[in-house]
Amino acid sequence: GESVGLHLPTLSVQEGDNSIINCAYSNSASDYFIWYKQESGKGPQFIIDIRSNMDKRQGQRVTVLLNKTVKHLSLQIAATQPGDSAVYFCAENPRTDKLIFGTGTRLQVFP
Amino acid sequence: EAGVVQSPRYKIIEKKQPVAFWCNPISGHNTLYWYRQNLGQGPELLIRYENEEAVDDSQLPKDRFSAERLKGVDSTLKIQPAELGDSAVYLCASSPGANVLTFGAGSRLTVL
Repeated sequence: GESVGLHLPTLSVQEGDNSIINCAYSNSASDYFIWYKQESGKGPQFIIDIRSNMDKRQGQRVTVLLNKTVKHLSLQIAATQPGDSAVYFCAENPRTDKLIFGTGTRLQVFP
Repeated sequence: EAGVVQSPRYKIIEKKQPVAFWCNPISGHNTLYWYRQNLGQGPELLIRYENEEAVDDSQLPKDRFSAERLKGVDSTLKIQPAELGDSAVYLCASSPGANVLTFGAGSRLTVL
């Protein structure tokens, strides 16, 4: 049968809507966080990062929010486009120079 | 700039056979990483190099996996003998220091 790992959390949005992808991280010592985008057949691609001394950082159409109290990270994508369809991973660095990746969320954009 | 280059992109082998993957990092990036990504999961670190020194190989299954980065540039990751559970995508990444990694496209291994 299928592995549980195949059942990625999936977010389906209509083109033009805003997307919010959430991530819970595990280590309270983590001081650096990154969001990566992975399209089918490709390696993860850097989107945006944030350090623990910040709670919000904005890029082009993307915003990352960090809530250290509840160890929660979110990625907001404004005006979602078909090209945004991919799997999105959050990654944390627990002060060990080793990035630890989350499970990932699949974003599907419908016209 | 070519980015991180990996080969082969795809490899199908029978169990117990050896396999090797090659990675050419971005020029000037001293830090090189090998990650394994199982289907539907995030990448997991196997080994990290600073120049030619393996500074973190705690997650590398050393009974069958080996890696080298002899001149501090290109790297190879070898599995011998391969097992069914080794089927995955093997990702190489590089960075100029810490944190922001640039990944290659990966080498997809299927063990039959």
